[in-house]
Amino acid sequence: NAGVTQTPKFRVLKTGQSMTLLCAQDMNHEYMYWYRQDPGMGLRLIHYSVGEGTTAKGEVPDGYNVSRLKKQNFLLGLESAAPSQTSVYFCASSSSRGPTTKNIQYFGAGTRLSVL
Amino acid sequence: LAKTTQPISMDSYEGQEVNITCSHNNIATNDYITWYQQFPSQGPRFIIQGYKTKVTNEVASLFIPADRKSSTLSLPRVSLSDTAVYYCLVGDMDNAGNMLTFGGGTRLMVKP
Repeated sequence: NAGVTQTPKFRVLKTGQSMTLLCAQDMNHEYMYWYRQDPGMGLRLIHYSVGEGTTAKGEVPDGYNVSRLKKQNFLLGLESAAPSQTSVYFCASSSSRGPTTKNIQYFGAGTRLSVL
Repeated sequence: LAKTTQPISMDSYEGQEVNITCSHNNIATNDYITWYQQFPSQGPRFIIQGYKTKVTNEVASLFIPADRKSSTLSLPRVSLSDTAVYYCLVGDMDNAGNMLTFGGGTRLMVKP
């Protein structure tokens, strides 16, 4: 029962470097999400996907790109990392909505990213 | 924008019952109310979900009045391990069609 798996767990980048965070889910969920959480703060939605091949912007999308080429994977990319992107990144997934909204999200363990 | 309002923090003592109330005045007819718990250095995890009246599981109870404009998460006989942030989420999309995000949650501190 892997659920939602995020890789890597930790990463340190220098300003201007690029990287990709991988999220994989084995629950056949349609919806996938990327959040960031700064110290002492709540979660903020970066991007989300409502199905394979689709992506949409969330609350704080600037500086990030995403791709959902396969249903089970959702990638988050930082093209040119900045110190302001130092944060903990969480991926989540949920099943598609039915006639009434019962959207329960399942989260990964997070990726701690530091940009120096 | 989150459609919910909840207290920023609460303190309690071991063995007490804790009630966290969430206001959601603009809840839509089809919206469910979902609560999550987040421990430090972990991702949030689902606790309980309801639509109306009362829902109970092995972890908590959720009370929802008839007008559904608020809900109360009840944690019976809390222990130190219940210290966490609790998030209330209503529906999954706002009126503009944007996916909802979590608010700041309620930081519960359980003291010995």
